[in-house]
Amino acid sequence: QKEVEQDPGPLSVPEGAIVSLNCTYSNSAFQYFMWYRQYSRKGPELLMYTYSSGNKEDGRFTAQVDKSSKYISLFIRDSQPSDSATYLCAMSLIPFLDSWGKLQFGAGTQVVVTP
Amino acid sequence: NAGVMQNPRHLVRRRGQEARLRCSPMKGHSHVYWYRQLPEEGLKFMVYLQKENIIDESGMPKERFSAEFPKEGPSILRIQQVVRGDSAAYFCASSMGSHILNQPQHFGDGTRLSIL
Repeated sequence: QKEVEQDPGPLSVPEGAIVSLNCTYSNSAFQYFMWYRQYSRKGPELLMYTYSSGNKEDGRFTAQVDKSSKYISLFIRDSQPSDSATYLCAMSLIPFLDSWGKLQFGAGTQVVVTP
Repeated sequence: NAGVMQNPRHLVRRRGQEARLRCSPMKGHSHVYWYRQLPEEGLKFMVYLQKENIIDESGMPKERFSAEFPKEGPSILRIQQVVRGDSAAYFCASSMGSHILNQPQHFGDGTRLSIL
């Protein structure tokens, strides 16, 4: 079983709709949760990060973390064709003095926003 | 400000040859990370380096793969005697520190390695 599971999609939505993405994970020790956006032939770009449970909003993006269910979500409101990309979730443990925050990535969900 | 620079963007090698992938981190960044991405799979961590030191190579295959980040110059990921299974996109990221929230990793656009 993979530590981080993410539906690969593709997820196709009409322009203006809400895009809903999610990941599940198995390691309850994960504390930091991130979402990256990756355009075709480009490197991942950090969109949002959250610590522990709760919600975080940034413009059209909302990230949610439910640690009790080991489930994280990313919502994109008022989606635009320019949001068409692959969205990767990532998570890490708390880095201690003799360790560091290694990232575990999901496989990514391809999103297509049609005009 | 220049981002993380990787070269070459595309690299074609025949089986048994060596592949050298280069990564110049963002200015002021002294932490470098290498990842491999296979089709339909996420990014897999390979190695974490600071200047002249390998901090964590737990994701590196035991044979044929090596990485360095010298005091001067770019970080190099070296794959000896390449095989078809090495075909993938290799991404480099850099950061000022290792704590993700304070020092996020910035990624380059990758090197796509194809093995004939």
